[in-house]
Amino acid sequence: QKEVEQNSGPLSVPEGAIASLNCTYSDRGSQSFFWYRQYSGKSPELIMSIYSNGDKEDGRFTAQLNKASQYVSLLIRDSQPSDSATYLCAVIYGTSYGKLTFGQGTILTVHP
Amino acid sequence: DGGITQSPKYLFRKEGQNVTLSCEQNLNHDAMYWYRQDPGQGLRLIYYSQIVNDFQKGDIAEGYSVSREKKESFPLTVTSAQKNPTAFYLCASSDRALTEAFFGQGTRLTVV
Repeated sequence: QKEVEQNSGPLSVPEGAIASLNCTYSDRGSQSFFWYRQYSGKSPELIMSIYSNGDKEDGRFTAQLNKASQYVSLLIRDSQPSDSATYLCAVIYGTSYGKLTFGQGTILTVHP
Repeated sequence: DGGITQSPKYLFRKEGQNVTLSCEQNLNHDAMYWYRQDPGQGLRLIYYSQIVNDFQKGDIAEGYSVSREKKESFPLTVTSAQKNPTAFYLCASSDRALTEAFFGQGTRLTVV
């Protein structure tokens, strides 16, 4: 059973702080890694994708991938109340385009 | 505008009744997916299709059926055999050249 585990949360950070979200996966054959943001009652929206070891930055978001440790993380700098949402880590195993396996999600609350 | 359209947004099903959820995309994506989300949980894959007239079971296919007669359409039928159908249903699609999946706005199904 291929699994994706996220830190359980909920995570609460003050406005302006760095929020750190973590995810581990069980299959070393994993090729592609994604972070989705989901607001309450809405569908997930893609915020970051990462395919190779190292860091990938996009605005206030940085994704970090370490395939040797089977670990992927998302850092949100200068957190805003509008970042309050559930963050879902997702992994594609092998070459199954779009066939995502999701973690259970981490609820993030950014308080003013 | 390109995108994925799910309908209806809300659906109520009586015990023993089959219902069909619609999913249409105009992104010219080859692959389409159905996921189920229960409260406080991640997404679980029901069925997926990577080409027209072909589809495969996901992790929780029992009590569901699909068809893929056209590239742009992937309807999901929730049959009376699905004993606990109340959930948020999400349709997604992906392109062969990319691996991330994009989601429709979801259908919330409730058994009454």
